Amino acid sequence: LAKTTQPISMDSYEGQEVNITCSHNNIATNDYITWYQQFPSQGPRFIIQGYKTKVTNEVASLFIPADRKSSTLSLPRVSLSDTAVYYCLVGDHNNAGNMLTFGGGTRLMVKP
Amino acid sequence: DVKVTQSSRYLVKRTGEKVFLECVQDMDHENMFWYRQDPGLGLRLIYFSYDVKMKEKGDIPEGYSVSREKKERFSLILESASTNQTSMYLCASSFDTQYFGPGTRLTVL
Repeated sequence: LAKTTQPISMDSYEGQEVNITCSHNNIATNDYITWYQQFPSQGPRFIIQGYKTKVTNEVASLFIPADRKSSTLSLPRVSLSDTAVYYCLVGDHNNAGNMLTFGGGTRLMVKP
Repeated sequence: DVKVTQSSRYLVKRTGEKVFLECVQDMDHENMFWYRQDPGLGLRLIYFSYDVKMKEKGDIPEGYSVSREKKERFSLILESASTNQTSMYLCASSFDTQYFGPGTRLTVL
């Protein structure tokens, strides 16, 4: 299973762009990269998923370089409500047994 | 919208009790998962199921069992609860991405 490494924590201020990078050096050919957001006492919530290059939705962008050994979640103009833990997950979503390893997550603190 | 519900948000049990945690999803997903989450340890997989009556052990199955009699329902069972099973329990279901329930905070006294 591909193991992920993320910074333990990050601080930002309201209105700034935040970029969180995840390393996954042994990502497999069939693996996708998925990011989740978790608030205290709630289950993780899906943010974005990608395989290569760039993916954008209404919440975030995901940048994946050609070698796919890392990925960067970009949150534009964060607000206080974006304070949460962000998890990077790598796995083959066509194989339930291979989409299971959550890393430690990055605790993002957005300050006023 | 995908909906994953868990039977209780908070639960308090005594050591040695049998505990059932229920999870129901409404999207006809084949895959369902049970995790526990503890401070500093992140999410750890207990069991998962990829079909009715099928189950696979995750990283920390000891002290737990599961049941999947219907596609929409996946139950986690603590045969004899112990204090070290005090934790937040999270259920998820997936077709491709995982959708999580709100969690059950279990305290074993």
